Amino acid sequence: AQSVSQHNHHVILSEAASLELGCNYSYGGTVNLFWYVQYPGQHLQLLLKYFSGDPLVKGIKGFEAEFIKSKFSFNLRKPSVQWSDTAEYFCAVVASGGSYIPTFGRGTSLIVHP
Amino acid sequence: DAMVIQNPRYQVTQFGKPVTLSCSQTLNHNVMYWYQQKSSQAPKLLFHYYDKDFNNEADTPDNFQSRRPNTSFCFLDIRSPGLGDAAMYLCATSRDRGQGRETQYFGPGTRLLVL
Repeated sequence: AQSVSQHNHHVILSEAASLELGCNYSYGGTVNLFWYVQYPGQHLQLLLKYFSGDPLVKGIKGFEAEFIKSKFSFNLRKPSVQWSDTAEYFCAVVASGGSYIPTFGRGTSLIVHP
Repeated sequence: DAMVIQNPRYQVTQFGKPVTLSCSQTLNHNVMYWYQQKSSQAPKLLFHYYDKDFNNEADTPDNFQSRRPNTSFCFLDIRSPGLGDAAMYLCATSRDRGQGRETQYFGPGTRLLVL
């Protein structure tokens, strides 16, 4: 069974700083990759997803993620964070050919100081 | 325009007293999921319905049951809650299983406290 690791459990940044959140998975086959975000008091919602093609995928609110197959990674990035980006970020992986059910990482809590 | 609704948002129950959490959706999605999420942990899938087809995860305790009487509603029944069952319970939907490419739509969650 696949597993998903998010190395940074808590990240604190100042506004305008650059962000990179790590996500690694353990599965040797084809995967579909997702980042979800949960703003304070709100439900989980999709930030971006990758299935195939250009490994650099852009999502909402200026976020992007890069799939590096050789590193089994799908890191989330944003060049300049805002206070409103304070949230919990979850990486999820779906292995093709299985049950098509996502496996989630434990999440990264991001706090952005104004 | 709420799409996935969970009631109640907070539930307090007593040790061993059965409790039911509910989820409804206005998206007409085929798939509904129940996740358990404990503090600082990944959401853990308990089971999911693909239409009326119930799929239980191998490590979901027997204490947890689910019902889906129609497309819109899904219930999580905890027959005898223990202290270890205190958690956030998330309901999610997706249009289909879609070879793993479907976006999941989540409800706000129900936080369960067991006294």
